[in-house]
Amino acid sequence: AQTVTQSQPEMSVQEAETVTLSCTYDTSESDYYLFWYKQPPSRQMILVIRQEAYKQQNATENRFSVNFQKAAKSFSLKISDSQLGDAAMYFCAYRSGGRLRYYGGSQGNLIFGKGTKLSVKP
Amino acid sequence: DAMVIQNPRYQVTQFGKPVTLSCSQTLNHNVMYWYQQKSSQAPKLLFHYYDKDFNNEADTPDNFQSRRPNTSFCFLDIRSPGLGDAAMYLCATSRLTPRGENTEAFFGQGTRLTVV
Repeated sequence: AQTVTQSQPEMSVQEAETVTLSCTYDTSESDYYLFWYKQPPSRQMILVIRQEAYKQQNATENRFSVNFQKAAKSFSLKISDSQLGDAAMYFCAYRSGGRLRYYGGSQGNLIFGKGTKLSVKP
Repeated sequence: DAMVIQNPRYQVTQFGKPVTLSCSQTLNHNVMYWYQQKSSQAPKLLFHYYDKDFNNEADTPDNFQSRRPNTSFCFLDIRSPGLGDAAMYLCATSRLTPRGENTEAFFGQGTRLTVV
């Protein structure tokens, strides 16, 4: 079974600075997706960035980028120029990839880490 | 603009009194999920629907049931809520393409359930 581990329960960053959130995962699959989701207090979870395992290039979305190390099974999120609005719970998530011949059971569903609570200091 | 809508946002129920949480979506996605998220924990998948096909997680208690009367709506029924069922319940949707590829999941704002 796949597992996702976030070893930093809480992190803090100064506004305008850079912070990196860590995530490691365990899987025997070769085809999968990795995600970072953001969950602000009392608001819905939204997708920040996604990475396909078959792509060597690290994904980037504006101020958010990842460092994907497939061999090490590591998937960290870097937030540059941190803003007050970045304060939230961040979840790393894994999903099996590839084409699903039969969709049933848990195949294709998200497996989450426990999350990292990010605070941004003004 | 809301695409996945959960009602109510906050629900208080009595111990043992059946309660229903609702989720609707405007994305026309064929997959709908229910997650349970307890305080300071990761969301845990309870079950999901692929169209009308129901898929239960092996460790989801029988106390939790779900209904999906049409594409847009999905309900979570808790038959006899216990104190341990107090949590945030998240609904999410995604689309499984004819090629078998699953798109990203879109989440609702969640329903926070309190059991008294």
